[in-house]
Amino acid sequence: DTAVSQTPKYLVTQMGNDKSIKCEQNLGHDTMYWYKQDSKKFLKIMFSYNNKELIINETVPNRFSPKSPDKAHLNLHINSLELGDSAVYFCASSPTLTSYGYTFGSGTRLTVV
Amino acid sequence: KQEVTQIPAALSVPEGENLVLNCSFTDSAIYNLQWFRQDPGKGLTSLLLIQSSQREQTSGRLNASLDKSSGRSTLYIAASQPGDSATYLCAVLMDSSYKLIFGSGTRLLVRP
Repeated sequence: DTAVSQTPKYLVTQMGNDKSIKCEQNLGHDTMYWYKQDSKKFLKIMFSYNNKELIINETVPNRFSPKSPDKAHLNLHINSLELGDSAVYFCASSPTLTSYGYTFGSGTRLTVV
Repeated sequence: KQEVTQIPAALSVPEGENLVLNCSFTDSAIYNLQWFRQDPGKGLTSLLLIQSSQREQTSGRLNASLDKSSGRSTLYIAASQPGDSATYLCAVLMDSSYKLIFGSGTRLLVRP
C-alpha cells in the first residue's frame, strides 16, 4: 500500500547502457515529478508532469526521457549512461502543481561503473 | 535565479535542547515554503508548509516561520529527541514556474 513506489531501489550498470526507472503513485494525484540528488545531497527538479502533460523540463541532457502513460505513472528512461549520472533519483507526486502534500518515493540509487 | 541556503550544514545537540534551523532564499516571488525531513536511505517526509501570505505554522514540537520580504525562514524544534536526528530540507515553490527549489539541508544529530 506504498503511496509512491519506485523500482528498482538499486541499479548498478555499465557506462553506455540504457536503463529505466519506474514510478507509480496510488494517491490519485495529478502531478508527478522526478528529482535528482547528487553526491552533495542537493535535490534538483528534473521533470514535472501534470495530468500526463510535461510542465517542467529542466536543463537535463536529452539522454533522459520521461514518459507518463497515465496519471499514476511517470517513468524515467536514460540512454547511454555516463559516470556523472550516478545519483539517487526520487519520484514524487502532489495533488496539483501548487497544493500542499508532496509525497516522495524512497529513491533509486543509480551507480554507473 | 533562486538560491536556497541552509545554515548550519550540520548540527549536533544533546537531547532535550531547543534548536533553530535557518533557511534563506534570494527571490521572494514564492508561492510557499516547505520543510522536509530526510532519513538516511529514505525519501522525504513533508513536515510543514507555509503559504507566502502566512507568517508561521506549527505542528507538535515543530514551528516554522516565514519572513518573505527578507527571504528567511526558521524551523524551531522544541525539546529535541534522538528520533529527530535526520537531514532537514527547506524548499520554496516558485510563483511563476511552480518549481520546488531545495536547499542543501541541515544534518541534525540529537545525542542521547
